[in-house]
Amino acid sequence: GAGVSQSPSNKVTEKGKDVELRCDPISGHTALYWYRQSLGQGLEFLIYFQGNSAPDKSGLPSDRFSAERTGGSVSTLTIQRTQQEDSAVYLCASSPLAGAEQYFGPGTRLTVT
Amino acid sequence: EDQVTQSPEALRLQEGESSSLNCSYTVSGLRGLFWYRQDPGKGPEFLFTLYSAGEEKEKERLKATLTKKESFLHITAPKPEDSATYLCAVLQGGTSYGKLTFGQGTILTVHP
Repeated sequence: GAGVSQSPSNKVTEKGKDVELRCDPISGHTALYWYRQSLGQGLEFLIYFQGNSAPDKSGLPSDRFSAERTGGSVSTLTIQRTQQEDSAVYLCASSPLAGAEQYFGPGTRLTVT
Repeated sequence: EDQVTQSPEALRLQEGESSSLNCSYTVSGLRGLFWYRQDPGKGPEFLFTLYSAGEEKEKERLKATLTKKESFLHITAPKPEDSATYLCAVLQGGTSYGKLTFGQGTILTVHP
């Protein structure tokens, strides 16, 4: 079956611009997660959705980062006024319910110049 | 705060040379421990979930075990295609239920 998909696969943007990253979870998965992976760093948790609500936003690094999920499916991560330190691979994962195994998408590689 | 430490950082093996990767953790009540494999340029691929000390899971040449303080990923007679970064992660409970805290990973290289 179809796995988690993310778009775009690569994004190059200029410092100060806004970007939107999209995640399509596995059909029927109620939980959705965003992580960030920087060069030489481990996976860093950003935000978690259960359905359309986000019970845990603790990992968002600043108020420039926001995310939403609509219809219990697609999620968008938005980064406003991008900075060079935002350059990383942004990974989305979904799971059939919170606490179960998470299935990851291929990621979006964001480069801020 | 939950912490996950993986060792070694990198491991080079000859094909057929069995070894183990370690994941030690400090959590206030383990809800689950997950092992993932990550190939360059790809997202992590789920391998195993372990929930309680003494539990073991196997898949092909891989076997994961869990104690109260650490988990091991045993690789028996590895092949070059087993080369990847192996990640472990612990599942947090409470209001952050569902959030995984990852270790830094072990980069495994298997030479033919």
